[in-house]
Amino acid sequence: DADVTQTPRNRITKTGKRIMLECSQTKGHDRMYWYRQDPGLGLRLIYYSFDVKDINKGEISDGYSVSRQAQAKFSLSLESAIPNQTALYFCATSEGAKNIQYFGAGTRLSVL
Amino acid sequence: GQNIDQPTEMTATEGAIVQINCTYQTSGFNGLFWYQQHAGEAPTFLSYNVLDGLEEKGRFSSFLSRSKGYSYLLLKELQMKDSASYLCAVPDNYGQNFVFGPGTRLSVLP
Repeated sequence: DADVTQTPRNRITKTGKRIMLECSQTKGHDRMYWYRQDPGLGLRLIYYSFDVKDINKGEISDGYSVSRQAQAKFSLSLESAIPNQTALYFCATSEGAKNIQYFGAGTRLSVL
Repeated sequence: GQNIDQPTEMTATEGAIVQINCTYQTSGFNGLFWYQQHAGEAPTFLSYNVLDGLEEKGRFSSFLSRSKGYSYLLLKELQMKDSASYLCAVPDNYGQNFVFGPGTRLSVLP
């Protein structure tokens, strides 16, 4: 089983809909992240959490919210989806001084 | 803030050596990372440099010059499976979050 699991893997939704992307991990890491990836732009940080009680905005948090339900679970919500939120979304975890990031397989989201 | 530049695309031949460059600007330095990402898949960690010099790990090596804000990833004995994007990343000033470069898409040809 994957250490960092994202669900769903693919999602198509309509403009204005609220959707949630889920991430769970079995690595026992405290730090969790949500990124989006667009062609030519690389990975950009949306939100991050260093423990259950800690939530922080990243570079591009507008239009998104998150919930850290437990050490192992970190969900990303799009309150009212818009077409320019069409992207590949990755969850990641890390720990330790080096902070090496371990990524989930990604969720491909299309907003029509 | 941080800024990272990488070439967009590179092509090389199976069995050859390729060097992928990364230049960065950061107000603080807490190490530099390289990740490999196959198309449609998750990035996976390749290497970490915090001191100047070359770190070798099998067919892959990574070099860092902090004074020049420069790193490269060296791939030897290229294989078809090395066709992927290679992402350069640096932590922010607090070493907590990362700024990723746009990635270099490497195509290995037979």
